[in-house]
Amino acid sequence: DAGITQSPRHKVTETGTPVTLRCHQTENHRYMYWYRQDPGHGLRLIHYSYGVKDTDKGEVSDGYSVSRSKTEDFLLTLESATSSQTSVYFCAIRELAGPYEQYFGPGTRLTVT
Amino acid sequence: GEDVEQSLFLSVREGDSSVINCTYTDSSSTYLYWYKQEPGAGLQLLTYIFSNMDMKQDQRLTVLLNKKDKHLSLRIADTQTGDSAIYFCAEPYGGYQKVTFGIGTKLQVIP
Repeated sequence: DAGITQSPRHKVTETGTPVTLRCHQTENHRYMYWYRQDPGHGLRLIHYSYGVKDTDKGEVSDGYSVSRSKTEDFLLTLESATSSQTSVYFCAIRELAGPYEQYFGPGTRLTVT
Repeated sequence: GEDVEQSLFLSVREGDSSVINCTYTDSSSTYLYWYKQEPGAGLQLLTYIFSNMDMKQDQRLTVLLNKKDKHLSLRIADTQTGDSAIYFCAEPYGGYQKVTFGIGTKLQVIP
């Protein structure tokens, strides 16, 4: 158990509403990630962070923003949710040394109606 | 990111061996990974191999690496029903800051 929690675990929201997902870690890891998992696409990187206030885009960042004001929390915001953002969202942290293993949270299932 | 390709589905009988294959693109990767995802859970690292190795064995798991063909395989001996899961091949990029995951191979074990 790498001490990663995600909240909420399930959420149903309407198109056009803002949504914020939270990832919380207890082990002071520098690197944190947000992925989405969709059938036929596997796991795709949305955004990642390499330190407090240091973030960068992944391959599917459009429509998403992130913030990291504390080491332990990494927030993912959908400014105006769309049905294409219905997905399972995973947060992960990464070890600093090789093999640079990533530890994943339990996931958040988001449905946009 | 890099491209990692793997087949979608594999079905085996309990007790048989399973072989999951993957091709990757970046020949400079130091590590290549196999992650496992059980139903309703996040991914967890199952095993990894250094790029200077051809083979790595860990109990029932054998990883084979063919660098010339950029081919990675995971063999599970004596497959059990508890091995039913999705298996992801993955390689790092961007100085290990990021990882590209394959689409995932769903392993179904028939009792």
